Amino acid sequence: DAGITQSPRHKVTETGTPVTLRCHQTENHRYMYWYRQDPGHGLRLIHYSYGVKDTDKGEVSDGYSVSRSKTEDFLLTLESATSSQTSVYFCAIKGTGANVLTFGAGSRLTVL
Amino acid sequence: ELKVEQNPLFLSMQEGKNYTIYCNYSTTSDRLYWYRQDPGKSLESLFVLLSNGAVKQEGRLMASLDTKARLSTLHITAAVHDLSATYFCAVDGYDKIIFGKGTRLHILP
Repeated sequence: DAGITQSPRHKVTETGTPVTLRCHQTENHRYMYWYRQDPGHGLRLIHYSYGVKDTDKGEVSDGYSVSRSKTEDFLLTLESATSSQTSVYFCAIKGTGANVLTFGAGSRLTVL
Repeated sequence: ELKVEQNPLFLSMQEGKNYTIYCNYSTTSDRLYWYRQDPGKSLESLFVLLSNGAVKQEGRLMASLDTKARLSTLHITAAVHDLSATYFCAVDGYDKIIFGKGTRLHILP
């Protein structure tokens, strides 16, 4: 999607390994969000950021950490991946006063 | 804590019929989003509703917001097969944005 990219788009890893997903934006938006999408659960908020170094927990934050050291990048880290973290992860951005929450293309993570 | 309930979760309907998807939420908000998602794709923004009584229409879809009732509706008029997708509402809780579980819409020819 224009202005927001996620990497990697696909990843297969093993239980117990660390994984970092990256969300990069070129819109200079203040708010950035990480969601996971699983069948039957819709999108669930993991963590969000409202500025550089300002982050907070969402609905399902256990097992995840985030960092935002600059406006354009929001990293999601699984310190020790588990099979329950197999999911599609979406990043989204929203500017102050902006009317739209814009999503990235998604990152499909499989934990074996 | 903001909770968002969407119903129905699954809807199978005939082409040409009308139907409504409901989105209820638990705490005060004055911004609500509707999205469409096709299988294997990301989310596409349909509407942003910013105030009580807001109504927006695009083609066969019309969305409305009643902030006093904490209710938004997405109305589908004379459904066509191309509208088959999953539809999500999301409520902006000023920092957190919480989604409903989605309505999987299947339109039969």
